[in-house]
Amino acid sequence: GIQVEQSPPDLILQEGANSTLRCNFSDSVNNLQWFHQNPWGQLINLFYIPSGTKQNGRLSATTVATERYSLLYISSSQTTDSGVYFCALGTSYGKLTFGQGTILTVHP
Amino acid sequence: SQTIHQWPATLVQPVGSPLSLECTVEGTSNPNLYWYRQAAGRGLQLLFYSVGIGQISSEVPQNLSASRPQDRQFILSSKKLLLSDSGFYLCAWDPGQGRWGYTFGSGTRLTVV
Repeated sequence: GIQVEQSPPDLILQEGANSTLRCNFSDSVNNLQWFHQNPWGQLINLFYIPSGTKQNGRLSATTVATERYSLLYISSSQTTDSGVYFCALGTSYGKLTFGQGTILTVHP
Repeated sequence: SQTIHQWPATLVQPVGSPLSLECTVEGTSNPNLYWYRQAAGRGLQLLFYSVGIGQISSEVPQNLSASRPQDRQFILSSKKLLLSDSGFYLCAWDPGQGRWGYTFGSGTRLTVV
């Protein structure tokens, strides 16, 4: 099956710092998504990005499908950015295979 | 707008007891529906998915079953819970038919004691 590897597993930042989260995957992708899980467990869809670059406020994502990786950039981090960030790859019928996530902690 | 409801939020059940978790979606029709489980640790594992009423596909063999009695209702069940069934259960939907839009419910934290 599809293998999804995320790095780093844990990341600790001071408020205002920038960060880059990486997702490597084993197969060609037609559906790659990034999610944020807040400390209460709610998963929010950040980006649908099978290729190219997208930006939404302080967050942006880039997927290089030919090299099988995706990057999530967080600029000027805030304490509300804390939580777990997941990369997930979609197969048929929208079934997603999730990576193990990156736990981000932003200190004030 | 579309919304997804999942309940209960938390549940403590004894080993051997039955389970029923319910998920409903509003504001859309014929969605794809999914049940995921997140064990302590991190990753989410897909348990079941459904592309229509009565159509259920299982991803992993286990002590659980799923049903879709109505277009926007998805139920996760067990006849007898095991300790290993403990976890965080999440329902999700997307519009299907090649359209993007993956949305999760708020989840149910199940503890089997």
